[in-house]
Amino acid sequence: QQQVKQSPQSLIVQKGGISIINCAYENTAFDYFPWYQQFPGKGPALLIAIRPDVSEKKEGRFTISFNKSAKQFSLHIMDSQPGDSATYFCAASMGKKLTFGTGTRLTIIP
Amino acid sequence: NAGVMQNPRHLVRRRGQEARLRCSPMKGHSHVYWYRQLPEEGLKFMVYLQKENIIDESGMPKERFSAEFPKEGPSILRIQQVVRGDSAAYFCASSPGLAGDTQYFGPGTRLTVL
Repeated sequence: QQQVKQSPQSLIVQKGGISIINCAYENTAFDYFPWYQQFPGKGPALLIAIRPDVSEKKEGRFTISFNKSAKQFSLHIMDSQPGDSATYFCAASMGKKLTFGTGTRLTIIP
Repeated sequence: NAGVMQNPRHLVRRRGQEARLRCSPMKGHSHVYWYRQLPEEGLKFMVYLQKENIIDESGMPKERFSAEFPKEGPSILRIQQVVRGDSAAYFCASSPGLAGDTQYFGPGTRLTVL
């Protein structure tokens, strides 16, 4: 199976709070898991990525947690800011083909 | 270093016409990918090309769609005899060609079929 399931579909978080987006995959051959951020009318931009030999990766306010046995990974955005309001996509790849989740529309409110 | 460039940004076609979408990869990148995004959905892989070669076209519809990446010039995604269901945003990405490398996306072409 090539599916990547993403939740929630939409998320509202107060400024300063933690935003958490979850993804689950089925194909154990996937070996690269990026997260992309997309603003309206723009192309997706790589935010952070992880490989399955690592359980966590942190870059600034963004952290990926990876659970290989559960085939799940999540994005945590600490100290969420209004500028983080965007659609976030998880993805997985084996080789060159990215399989995307359906996206999470994140809104940060004051 | 300019990013991935796509043109046109917006394209309107009537049913039955041809749509031609162009993608210029980042400088030094030899791999190009095309994805389609329907409203409120994630991106779906269509095709992966290297210069003058189609590597993986498993996501391309069997009819009316074709892609090329010539030795010189941009990659072209061509849709013949467009139908309303082809209306979507089409994104191109490029990568340097190393194993497991990052794909950088362009701004997309929004195709509307009337």
